[in-house]
Amino acid sequence: GAVVSQHPSWVICKSGTSVKIECRSLDFQATTMFWYRQFPKQSLMLMATSNEGSKATYEQGVEKDKFLINHASLTLSTLTVTSAHPEDSSFYICSARQVGQGPDTQYFGPGTRLTVL
Amino acid sequence: ILNVEQSPQSLHVQEGDSTNFTCSFPSSNFYALHWYRWETAKSPEALFVMTLNGDEKKKGRISATLNTKEGYSYLYIKGSQPEDSATYLCAFNPGDYKLSFGAGTTVTVRA
Repeated sequence: GAVVSQHPSWVICKSGTSVKIECRSLDFQATTMFWYRQFPKQSLMLMATSNEGSKATYEQGVEKDKFLINHASLTLSTLTVTSAHPEDSSFYICSARQVGQGPDTQYFGPGTRLTVL
Repeated sequence: ILNVEQSPQSLHVQEGDSTNFTCSFPSSNFYALHWYRWETAKSPEALFVMTLNGDEKKKGRISATLNTKEGYSYLYIKGSQPEDSATYLCAFNPGDYKLSFGAGTTVTVRA
């Protein structure tokens, strides 16, 4: 199956700093990538859709100025958590949509655990 | 936020036994249902993408059925093995690929 990598796998930062998370599709091109987050004991929740060459679209309640998404190439999307605060501590995971015949599959990275002190 | 529910939340099964669990989802605006297996510290692994009512898909000892009219899907594991221990996620796809996930069913296979 297709492989999606994510870096870093975990990060600890101080309150007020910014953190960048990278999501790469290693063996296929992805015009669309998605960013999800998961709080403890909750479901994966979609944050935003990242489209190559255009602006990301954000789900209701997700601050676009806080969670900056850049999809500069067909294999790379980045999520930057700006001025992180403890309430941003969560598990962030990306997926990439592989377009093919019939319903497409989304392939996921392994996720990033963010802890903001 | 679409309501996707999975039950049970967790289950324990003896090695060699078979088991199954449920995913319920909205019956309207259905395009596809995705099943994933998620082991700790790994990427969720895509198992099935199901679209047709009555469809049944199989991958090794794991199979899934789909009822779009009543809004549920079953996932079956036949002859469970320790390597089947994982959290199984289902996700509803209304066509825009913005997946709505259930909370998952965590399966623990005891040797």
